[in-house]
Amino acid sequence: KNQVEQSPQSLIILEGKNCTLQCNYTVSPFSNLRWYKQDTGRGPVSLTIMTFSENTKSNGRYTATLDADTKQSSLHITASQLSDSASYICVVSEKAAGNKLTFGGGTRVLVKP
Amino acid sequence: DAGVIQSPRHEVTEMGQEVTLRCKPISGHDYLFWYRQTMMRGLELLIYFNNNVPIDDSGMPEDRFSAKMPNASFSTLKIQPSEPRDSAVYFCASSPPSHLSTDTQYFGPGTRLTVL
Repeated sequence: KNQVEQSPQSLIILEGKNCTLQCNYTVSPFSNLRWYKQDTGRGPVSLTIMTFSENTKSNGRYTATLDADTKQSSLHITASQLSDSASYICVVSEKAAGNKLTFGGGTRVLVKP
Repeated sequence: DAGVIQSPRHEVTEMGQEVTLRCKPISGHDYLFWYRQTMMRGLELLIYFNNNVPIDDSGMPEDRFSAKMPNASFSTLKIQPSEPRDSAVYFCASSPPSHLSTDTQYFGPGTRLTVL
C-alpha cells in the first residue's frame, strides 16, 4: 500500500530559527513530490514540486530536497517568520493515469516570537 | 483570476438532510478534485474529473456520496443522507492540462460541514 509518513507531527520554533521537516514515502511508481503549506482555515498552497531527477528546489526561504533512492524528502525553513506557522503537507504522485496522489499527515509548525 | 471558488464556506445541517457543496474551478483547468480533510485522517481524495468525466471515484466513502460535473466551470458534491461522521472540511481543487504543467493543484478555501 502506498504511504507517505511525515515527522515530526508538530514542532515549535522561535522566530528567526531554522527547522527541517521530514517525509518518507513508499509510493511506486514515483512521479513527483510536492510540499504544500496550509494556513489555518485555508486550502493548501503549493510550495515546491520535484520530479525524479531533481534533488533540491527552493522557493524563497523554503528549500526542499529529494532522495529518490531512499524515498525521502525534507523541507527546510530558513530564518522562520511568524507567518510560517502552518501545516506542511508532503504529497507524492503515483505515475499512472491521472497521477494519483498520496498525502502525508502533515507537520504542524508553530513559530513563536 | 479569482482562483477556485467554493460555496458555501460553512454548512451546518441535521443528520439525514441532503447537503450539496459547489465548486467553480479555475478557467482553463481540465482536472477537478474533491477532497475531505479531518483531524483524524488528514486529506483524502474523494473523486476527480478530467474534462468533466469522472476518472477515479474510489475514494468516495459510500453510496451516500455523489459528485457531478455538468460542465467545465461547475461541479457539485452531494451527500444524501448526511451523517455526523461526514463532518469535515471539503476542498475542491483544479489543475491545468497535464501537458502544460507539472499538474500542480490549486485548492479552494474549503467548505466546513457540520452534521448535527
